[in-house]
Amino acid sequence: GAVVSQHPSWVICKSGTSVKIECRSLDFQATTMFWYRQFPKQSLMLMATSNEGSKATYEQGVEKDKFLINHASLTLSTLTVTSAHPEDSSFYICSASSGGYYEQYFGPGTRLTVT
Amino acid sequence: DQQVKQNSPSLSVQEGRISILNCDYTNSMFDYFLWYKKYPAEGPTFLISISSIKDKNEDGRFTVFLNKSAKHLSLHIVPSQPGDSAVYFCAASRYSGGGADGLTFGKGTHLIIQP
Repeated sequence: GAVVSQHPSWVICKSGTSVKIECRSLDFQATTMFWYRQFPKQSLMLMATSNEGSKATYEQGVEKDKFLINHASLTLSTLTVTSAHPEDSSFYICSASSGGYYEQYFGPGTRLTVT
Repeated sequence: DQQVKQNSPSLSVQEGRISILNCDYTNSMFDYFLWYKKYPAEGPTFLISISSIKDKNEDGRFTVFLNKSAKHLSLHIVPSQPGDSAVYFCAASRYSGGGADGLTFGKGTHLIIQP
């Protein structure tokens, strides 16, 4: 149980284009989904928290107009990187929680490379 | 300001011996702690967690100890096995009433189990 999938697993895009990453909880309902970013040899950094049907809450320093998050259902959240630039190249990981003190379950991550 | 610190970037342990991974935190608002195991280009896998109202939690070969007064926790793996070789992240969270917050991660410790 507690499986989270992400799609795509890797993507290469040109500078200035937008990329959408999907995060799905496959066998449970995720009231809350989180998006993290990991740069090489660094820790995972929380970008934003999204609750189903609500606007996402962004961490300080994360541009909400650049990283659009939609949590349309209890099993799906999407992250859209708009007008991507090479400095947005990173490993993006989502996690899902069924709420309360429940542990977060992570997806396999998406490697984004912007050329 | 790093709120969760893992001061050992790497740790080498012989197979069959005990592995002890350490983690310190500075934010006294954290009340839930988790350990994750991660391989390169994959999402973290949940290992074990502990609430701040406990000082020990055990699950098979994994035991987490929490010293709240020292703001220190440790993960013990015994006996260590070759498959345990991975990067281990310590993470902390706090319950904000509406649900769990996003996790704050340490930078990770690369555990190497030597045969």
